[in-house]
Amino acid sequence: NAGVTQTPKFQVLKTGQSMTLQCAQDMNHEYMSWYRQDPGMGLRLIHYSVGAGITDQGEVPNGYNVSRSTTEDFPLRLLSAAPSQTSVYFCASSYDRGTDTQYFGPGTRLTVL
Amino acid sequence: GEDVEQSLFLSVREGDSSVINCTYTDSSSTYLYWYKQEPGAGLQLLTYIFSNMDMKQDQRLTVLLNKKDKHLSLRIADTQTGDSAIYFCAESIHSAGNMLTFGGGTRLMVKP
Repeated sequence: NAGVTQTPKFQVLKTGQSMTLQCAQDMNHEYMSWYRQDPGMGLRLIHYSVGAGITDQGEVPNGYNVSRSTTEDFPLRLLSAAPSQTSVYFCASSYDRGTDTQYFGPGTRLTVL
Repeated sequence: GEDVEQSLFLSVREGDSSVINCTYTDSSSTYLYWYKQEPGAGLQLLTYIFSNMDMKQDQRLTVLLNKKDKHLSLRIADTQTGDSAIYFCAESIHSAGNMLTFGGGTRLMVKP
């Protein structure tokens, strides 16, 4: 198993540009989520999904869209990038919503100029 | 609301024990977790404890939970230089879709 994969690893955008951060998992996990990590603030939940076709907002959803058309993929879209979205983004997945371990991807470092 | 707090930094000598502390505010936490993040990498789950437990031991790791004081600690015995990393505690609340709330992380530096 490749686990949780994220692309790209690094990205630089200009303010107002749009892009999609990709996340995929091959563990047949139902639960997937996106976090952003900022210095001294730990990780904050952006959006999550409990299965294909179902998504919900986390703690900091503004400026981000998600969709879950398949079990494997959970892309995160920035519609109009802002400097405040400069961060490291982590995707995670787990088998269900209970105690199951959340597996994290390696992260995408995004800089918005 | 949910708030998880940790001290920012801890320095120990190789071979000593490390104790990383965490406090949380939501009494309805279901599980509490410790994650390790090495430079440039994602988060790796180290261990977790169910909220009705007081202690959990896993090899060099001991987790203590004081539910009354909402205090969680991670003890690493015989700390090695490879343990140098950022350690995050996190709480999940099953009724909230198992969303994780993370602390800000404690950077552990192990000196040879």
